[in-house]
Amino acid sequence: EAGVAQSPRYKIIEKRQSVAFWCNPISGHATLYWYQQILGQGPKLLIQFQNNGVVDDSQLPKDRFSAERLKGVDSTLKIQPAKLEDSAVYLCASSLDRHLAGANVLTFGAGSRLTVL
Amino acid sequence: SQELEQSPQSLIVQEGKNLTINCTSSKTLYGLYWYKQKYGEGLIFLMMLQKGGEEKSHEKITAKLDEKKQQSSLHITASQPSHAGIYLCGADMGGGADGLTFGKGTHLIIQP
Repeated sequence: EAGVAQSPRYKIIEKRQSVAFWCNPISGHATLYWYQQILGQGPKLLIQFQNNGVVDDSQLPKDRFSAERLKGVDSTLKIQPAKLEDSAVYLCASSLDRHLAGANVLTFGAGSRLTVL
Repeated sequence: SQELEQSPQSLIVQEGKNLTINCTSSKTLYGLYWYKQKYGEGLIFLMMLQKGGEEKSHEKITAKLDEKKQQSSLHITASQPSHAGIYLCGADMGGGADGLTFGKGTHLIIQP
């Protein structure tokens, strides 16, 4: 089966510019996650969707980050304006409906590496 | 403070040797998940442990969860170059399917 698709793989921007990342999860996966992984750290959850609804966005810096999953399939994560500390890999993951067994087995995409200069 | 502590942070092992990576939580875990990450790539799922005392093996990798469900170990037997990468433990801290909390990872290097 096709995996989790993410684009772009790499992006370099200057601070205060904006950037958007796209994710297409595994077909049939109702739950979608965006994680931020700073160099040398483990991934940190930014936002979790169940279909087109937000389950948890408590760690999303809402003054500059936004995410949507309008039709409950693919998702976009936006940063505006970017700061130097936003340099990281943004990982998208998907899993089965959170009410089903095995819902915490996440399948990750390859990630989008952001460098903010 | 880090909710999940992994040790060691990095490990250099000669090819063919055994090694162990640990993951410790101050709280009882509802589930513990091991992932492997190669540089510049996403995370690959290895194993899931949910019951106290549970042990699972796949090829040369064995993962265990202690009886208290607060500590897990990942053991690799007769290491190979293909085992090199970053090993991350992720935990279900809340009992619901609300995403995983990850440790910082253990960077494994295999020397020929």
